[in-house]
Amino acid sequence: SQQGEEDPQALSIQEGENATMNCSYKTSINNLQWYRQNSGRGLVHLILIRSNEREKHSGRLRVTLDTSKKSSSLLITASRAADTASYFCATDEGGGYNKLIFGAGTRLAVHP
Amino acid sequence: DTEVTQTPKHLVMGMTNKKSLKCEQHMGHRAMYWYKQKAKKPPELMFVYSYEKLSINESVPSRFSPECPNSSLLNLHLHALQPEDSALYLCASSAEPNSNQPQHFGDGTRLSIL
Repeated sequence: SQQGEEDPQALSIQEGENATMNCSYKTSINNLQWYRQNSGRGLVHLILIRSNEREKHSGRLRVTLDTSKKSSSLLITASRAADTASYFCATDEGGGYNKLIFGAGTRLAVHP
Repeated sequence: DTEVTQTPKHLVMGMTNKKSLKCEQHMGHRAMYWYKQKAKKPPELMFVYSYEKLSINESVPSRFSPECPNSSLLNLHLHALQPEDSALYLCASSAEPNSNQPQHFGDGTRLSIL
């Protein structure tokens, strides 16, 4: 079952623009992770943010987490055509075994 | 190139066939996972292996039978599948089976059931 929703479902932007994707979830979590999936490929881990963290950066990626609103956002700055992919948030509710529940995903298209 | 290798990349089988999907990682990871992903949908967890023992079975039908022969290898045996089982099957691994561990995914096996 899905933990929550991602917003928007699809996003189309020009190279150089910023892209923001949002993720909402329903239960308390241990951590939230973001993954990228290029067409026809597996998922690639981008960032893990723990429940006691509010913001994390990695290169052009910035992730925020608001546990009071049960939401997270992923910001990609200065986007490139190579960023075109689907982006999924995934929540770990704890309880062991690293069980992830994925959101519905955002399909990002970056046009040259 | 991914560090988790899945074979075959594509598989077409009839509903009466028996086939197996294979997943291999040489990162020394102690947790391995099987996911099913339908087109334009998120991955859905099927099984979790922790230290080569089955830890989670997400109520998967018995026509899917996982096996973990050793710490580097994970198989998914398929028998008498249905057309709705056509999907991308993804394998993943993580260093440990506990929380706060990123998962490393293979590129999947695209399965078509005739």
